[in-house]
Amino acid sequence: DVQMTQSPSSLSASVGDRVTITCRASQGIGNYLGWYQQKPGKLPKLLIYSASTLQSGVPSRFSGSGSGTDFTLAINSLQPEDVGTYYCQNFISAPLTFGGGTKVEIK
Amino acid sequence: QEHLVESGGGVVQPGRSLRLSCAASGFTFSIFGMHWVRQAPGKGLEWVAAISYDGSNKYYADFVEGRFTISRDNSKNTLYLQMNSLRAEDTAVYHCAKDQGVVVPLPISQGMDVWGRGTAVTVSS
Repeated sequence: DVQMTQSPSSLSASVGDRVTITCRASQGIGNYLGWYQQKPGKLPKLLIYSASTLQSGVPSRFSGSGSGTDFTLAINSLQPEDVGTYYCQNFISAPLTFGGGTKVEIK
Repeated sequence: QEHLVESGGGVVQPGRSLRLSCAASGFTFSIFGMHWVRQAPGKGLEWVAAISYDGSNKYYADFVEGRFTISRDNSKNTLYLQMNSLRAEDTAVYHCAKDQGVVVPLPISQGMDVWGRGTAVTVSS
């Protein structure tokens, strides 16, 4: 099974900061990775698929990069509405495991 | 508008069974793979199972250990999850979710773009 490890588990940053979250797969998954945002009390929302393709309607301050085993989600100019928990997910190999999540807060 | 509505959750004793349903509307159900994802209170997302658009391929998380069965009825636009031998650790909100890939060969996914609000399952004596 592919294990997905996210870091950090939480972070606090100021409005306008650039924030990065990393996700490491236990084996190579090409670019078969996605990122979700879950705001408090809300359903998960798909932000990025194929490691770097922005889902329709997602603000351009979000970006994804990486391939193989190491991936990054970046938020340029963090906004108050970006508070929530972010998850990566393996998209190629069952079980389609999620990372443990990264909680993003505003300082 | 694409919509998913789960039902069938409840409180059940350990070892008992439940069948969850997910009614889909607003999209052509029969051409998309579907998933079940659960989230225990205060915990992260946990993928449970997936089924291909035509029901021919099914995939499960390791913790299922043969206890759950995913199925679909494309004539009724409905997804199911039969859960047997339930354990306390299965307590969670269970969401169904649509894979946005059209006729994509699961387990390869293109991401879950529509989520239902979930149905709560509590396993307790």
